[in-house]
Amino acid sequence: LAKTTQPISMDSYEGQEVNITCSHNNIATNDYITWYQQFPSQGPRFIIQGYKTKVTNEVASLFIPADRKSSTLSLPRVSLSDTAVYYCLVASLSGNTGKLIFGQGTTLQVKP
Amino acid sequence: DGGITQSPKYLFRKEGQNVTLSCEQNLNHDAMYWYRQDPGQGLRLIYYSQIVNDFQKGDIAEGYSVSREKKESFPLTVTSAQKNPTAFYLCASSISFGTVYGYTFGSGTRLTVV
Repeated sequence: LAKTTQPISMDSYEGQEVNITCSHNNIATNDYITWYQQFPSQGPRFIIQGYKTKVTNEVASLFIPADRKSSTLSLPRVSLSDTAVYYCLVASLSGNTGKLIFGQGTTLQVKP
Repeated sequence: DGGITQSPKYLFRKEGQNVTLSCEQNLNHDAMYWYRQDPGQGLRLIYYSQIVNDFQKGDIAEGYSVSREKKESFPLTVTSAQKNPTAFYLCASSISFGTVYGYTFGSGTRLTVV
C-alpha cells in the first residue's frame, strides 16, 4: 500500500476553512484516496473518498491533482465540533489488500 | 439502525486473566477487523476476517485470539500472553474485503489492566 504523509497537527478558528494536505507519492493506478475522522474515545468515521479531480459531499471536499501524488481535504467553515484527528489513507482495489493502515493522522484543533 | 456494537465500553482485567471483547454487526458485512490504538498513536491491525469461519493474523496478533462462527460476530480474546494489553480496542467491518470499501467502526472498548 502507498505510504501517506500528513501534518501531525493543525490549529484553526471557528468559521474558517481548513485544508489538510496529504502526500502519497507512490500511489498506484488502482488506488483511491480515503479520509477518516476520529473523535476522542470513538472509532474513526469514513468522511470521503476520491480517485481524481474533485469530490464533494455534505461534510467535506477532496481535491486531487492530475498526478494524484497528493490530495487536500477541505473542511468549510469549521466549528468546535470539528476538532478531531483526520486520517489520510490510500485504498486499493487490487490484490489481497483489505487491510487499512492508519498512521498518526492530523490532529485538528478548532478554537473559538 | 445498522451498525457495529462493541461491549463493554470499559473493561478492567487483572494480570494473568483472559478477557473477551464483543463485536456484533447488523450490516450484513462479510469482512470484520480488530484494531488496537494506544494514546496518540494510529491504529494497528490485530486480526481480520474476510468471511465467516475464516480469519487471518494482522500486524500484532501475538497474545490475542479470535473466532468467526457467525457472520454477525467477531469476538476478540486478550490472553494472559499479551504483555501490555492496556489500550483502546476498535472493531470494524466492511461490505467486502477490500480497503476501497468504507469501513464502519464500533465505538470501542477501553481495556485497563489493574
